Amino acid sequence: AQSVTQLDSQVPVFEEAPVELRCNYSSSVSVYLFWYVQYPNQGLQLLLKYLSGSTLVESINGFEAEFNKSQTSFHLRKPSVHISDTAEYFCAVSAGTGNQFYFGTGTSLTVIP
Amino acid sequence: GAGVSQSPRYKVAKRGQDVALRCDPISGHVSLFWYQQALGQGPEFLTYFQNEAQLDKSGLPSDRFFAERPEGSVSTLKIQRTQQEDSAVYLCASSSRGGVSFYEQYFGPGTRLTVT
Repeated sequence: AQSVTQLDSQVPVFEEAPVELRCNYSSSVSVYLFWYVQYPNQGLQLLLKYLSGSTLVESINGFEAEFNKSQTSFHLRKPSVHISDTAEYFCAVSAGTGNQFYFGTGTSLTVIP
Repeated sequence: GAGVSQSPRYKVAKRGQDVALRCDPISGHVSLFWYQQALGQGPEFLTYFQNEAQLDKSGLPSDRFFAERPEGSVSTLKIQRTQQEDSAVYLCASSSRGGVSFYEQYFGPGTRLTVT
């Protein structure tokens, strides 16, 4: 079975500062990787995904994540955060050969004015 | 519909009661997933449907949990003889079947179940 580790449960950051949310996974096979965001009182939304091709993937709101196979990581970054980025962020992995998705425990990002 | 809907949004059950949680996926989505999210945890996979066929139920924690999708659209997750450890948010997600679209899951708002 896969496992996903999000080491930081809470990340406070000042507005317009950069942020990195860390995600590591355990797998010896090809994987598909995802970041989901959950805004207060809303459901999970897909933020970005890595399926194949370029290891750097970007979202429409300025987030990016880089797949690093040697370090089994898929860290999420944004160079300048906004108040509206305050949310819970979940990293997820799928083995690509099955139907199961494995989620991390989430990182709560709080942007401070 | 515009998105995945779930009902009820909140459910309080006394220990030992049976509950039924409903999920309406996005119209035309073939794949449907159920997850359980305990407080402070990430979602954990429960079961997966492709149309009306339940292809994977390996995540169901006990035989008290039962899911169905008889017509390949609406799905119901039933929990019999609820226990306090069943308290969690139950999430439903759907996706298209073809190729990489399978991996783009759309989540509902969840049903928060509290067992007292």
